[in-house]
Order: sequence, then structure tokens, then C-alpha cells
Amino acid sequence: GENVEQHPSTLSVQEGDSAVIKCTYSDSASNYFPWYKQELGKGPQLIIDIRSNVGEKKDQRIAVTLNKTAKHFSLHITETQPEDSAVYFCAATDSWGKFQFGAGTQVVVTP
Amino acid sequence: GAGVSQSPSNKVTEKGKDVELRCDPISGHTALYWYRQRLGQGLEFLIYFQGNSAPDKSGLPSDRFSAERTGESVSTLTIQRTQQEDSAVYLCASGDTVNSPLHFGNGTRLTVT
Repeated sequence: GENVEQHPSTLSVQEGDSAVIKCTYSDSASNYFPWYKQELGKGPQLIIDIRSNVGEKKDQRIAVTLNKTAKHFSLHITETQPEDSAVYFCAATDSWGKFQFGAGTQVVVTP
Repeated sequence: GAGVSQSPSNKVTEKGKDVELRCDPISGHTALYWYRQRLGQGLEFLIYFQGNSAPDKSGLPSDRFSAERTGESVSTLTIQRTQQEDSAVYLCASGDTVNSPLHFGNGTRLTVT
């Protein structure tokens, strides 16, 4: 089955700097890759997603890149702000459409 | 519109008691997942319902855990003879078609004393 690995597990950045989180997956048939943000006491919320027919997608300060050959995808947050502090999860769907999540990255943005 | 609703939001129970957790998915969503999240940890897959297919129960940690779903509507997760290690947040998520986003509820925080 699908296996998703996520790095780093924690990431501390200065406000205004960029943050990058990387994930790798194992199932070459995977074709959908969402990213979720989880704030304290809430369920994860979708922030951006990408499908396998696209290499990059941007939404304001957030971007995701996908390298299907290498089977990895990354989340990029530019001009980080304190409200970006949260846990971020990557995910991939396997050939049956079942979601597999990474272990999560705790992002701390310090003023 | 209405999102995924979970109830109760908090549940405190005594060790050995049974508990039922409820999830109301977004109307029309065929996929429904249950996850367990221990404090400071990731999302531990429990069970996955997809339409009328047999559920994927491969993540249930023991036979004390079971879940049901009526058609494409509400789901209940039942934990029998609760143990202290069952204390966690239980999250439900639903999705529309295959390879479309999952939408999460805010979870039920279960505390077993």
C-alpha cells in the first residue's frame, strides 16, 4: 500500500522567512496530493492540493510542487506570519483512492 | 454550507464503560474516514467507508473498536470496555468522489479515567 513520509517533524522560522515541508510517497499510481493545516483544538483544514497532471500550484503565499518521477511533493510558505504556526499534514491517495497521511510537521513562526 | 459534524465534542468516561461517537458527514459524500489522534501525534487511520463497498477496517486497533455507517449518512464509532490508552481525539472526515478533498470535523475528545 501507499506510504507517505514527511520531513521535518518540527520547523521553526523567523517571521517573514520561508518554510518548506517535504513529503515522499511510494505508490506510483497516486495522483492526488492535498495539504492540511491543523490548528489547536480543530480538525485539519485543506489549504492547497495538487493533481498529478500539474507540476506546481500557487495560492497567494502558499505553493505546492510535485515531482512524479522522484515521487515527492513539497509545501512552500513564503513571508511567514505568526498565524501560519500550526501542524501541517501532507497526504496522497493510493490506487484505490484511499488517503494516506504523513506524520505531520509542527511549524512555529517566531516574531 | 454545513460541514462535518461530530458529537459529542467532549466525552469523559470511566474505564470499562462503552462509548459511542457520532459523525454526520457532508450530505452526498460517499467516503467517510475515522482517525485517532493522540496528544501531539499524527492521524492514526481506523476505518474507511466508501459507498456501498465493504469497509476497510484494517486500522482498528482491537476488537473493542467497531464502526457502522448507514448508507451514505451518519456513522458511529463504538469503543467497548474503554481503556486509558483509548484517550485521544477521534476525528471523522468525509469526501465526495475518489481523489477529491477530505473534509474533517473538529473531533471528539475522549478521556478515559
